[in-house]
Amino acid sequence: RKEVEQDPGPFNVPEGATVAFNCTYSNSASQSFFWYRQDCRKEPKLLMSVYSSGNEDGRFTAQLNRASQYISLLIRDSKLSDSATYLCVVNSQAGGTYKYIFGTGTRLKVLA
Amino acid sequence: GAVVSQHPSWVICKSGTSVKIECRSLDFQATTMFWYRQFPKQSLMLMATSNEGSKATYEQGVEKDKFLINHASLTLSTLTVTSAHPEDSSFYICSAKPGLATTGELFFGEGSRLTVL
Repeated sequence: RKEVEQDPGPFNVPEGATVAFNCTYSNSASQSFFWYRQDCRKEPKLLMSVYSSGNEDGRFTAQLNRASQYISLLIRDSKLSDSATYLCVVNSQAGGTYKYIFGTGTRLKVLA
Repeated sequence: GAVVSQHPSWVICKSGTSVKIECRSLDFQATTMFWYRQFPKQSLMLMATSNEGSKATYEQGVEKDKFLINHASLTLSTLTVTSAHPEDSSFYICSAKPGLATTGELFFGEGSRLTVL
């Protein structure tokens, strides 16, 4: 089982739609969680961190469910510019070291 | 946000040659940097964790003698792909985070696209 799993999509949605992505992680000791956005042939950029209480940033809402070991990202009122790959990232520590593990990414295409 | 710079952005080399990629944190010190590789339409795969002043920690399946990592200062880590072959062609991305905390946002370099002929 992969440490971080996502549905690769693609999700093709019309402009204005609401779309949700889920991500599951296997390491129950994981400490912090993020959603990154990656445009084609570019480096990933942070979209938002994910907090236990859930957090919202404009049209984007992130949730964390530690008991079920998944995080989610909700995008409301989708824009054409939201088309990208969304990467779930989990930070885990073991033996005094830490690392960031990426999910496979979920491709989103917002259609006019 | 913090800035991480990677160089070169693009490199084309002949099979059997070695290629060095530099990763610099421009406005912060990074005791730890991470090197990822991304094949087309796949996610980022962690190759190794670069530790300033000590040996890098490699992920399972990554050959440390092929992918040499040197983290000689708090602002520079280098990845050298030795005796490159066409199957090493990929997008290599480094990342780092400011501070000593083990959590927090990762900042990425622009990536280096390697093509081995």
